[in-house]
Amino acid sequence: DAGITQSPRHKVTETGTPVTLRCHQTENHRYMYWYRQDPGHGLRLIHYSYGVKDTDKGEVSDGYSVSRSKTEDFLLTLESATSSQTSVYFCAISESNPPAFFGQGTRLTVV
Amino acid sequence: GENVEQHPSTLSVQEGDSAVIKCTYSDSASNYFPWYKQELGKRPQLIIDIRSNVGEKKDQRIAVTLNKTAKHFSLHITETQPEDSAVYFCAASRNGAGDKLIFGTGTRLQVFP
Repeated sequence: DAGITQSPRHKVTETGTPVTLRCHQTENHRYMYWYRQDPGHGLRLIHYSYGVKDTDKGEVSDGYSVSRSKTEDFLLTLESATSSQTSVYFCAISESNPPAFFGQGTRLTVV
Repeated sequence: GENVEQHPSTLSVQEGDSAVIKCTYSDSASNYFPWYKQELGKRPQLIIDIRSNVGEKKDQRIAVTLNKTAKHFSLHITETQPEDSAVYFCAASRNGAGDKLIFGTGTRLQVFP
């Protein structure tokens, strides 16, 4: 498996609190992505990065922000968590488009 | 924007039989079509992909076909085995662009021994 690690793997948080999910890669891949997976929706892109400090929005970016200060780390922040953000979050990496390797996923529950 | 529809949502087959999953897309400019397999509780894995300059691609027991005119593509699994049981996702994008990759809603395949 490609060297890609997500943390935490599980988190329960309260509505209105900020939450940060981390994706760490050891492959030195240029592209990194954050997806959310919900029943009946497949995978939907939240944000992606095409290099250090280079990020852009995906199709469901409202309520989320990202940062990439190093090649190996891509952080996803829920600025003020809501129940609709309860989901499984996957990070993915690739050297060239499209995403080829996914992390193990983070199950986030907002209560 | 692109829209990808995937059918069926669930599929049950006997071990050794073939399984076919179909996807249609709306954006005629899409030219890259990957398939991902996700076992229960695991991460998605890219299993095969096809670009619009070919009509079919095979890798052992799996194959993908593409009909650009009809804007649909299919995943074929032959001689199914219990370990093929998983959720399969199709996707489509322009120029292989990861930021434009749109996923189907998934097909849960169950292979019974």
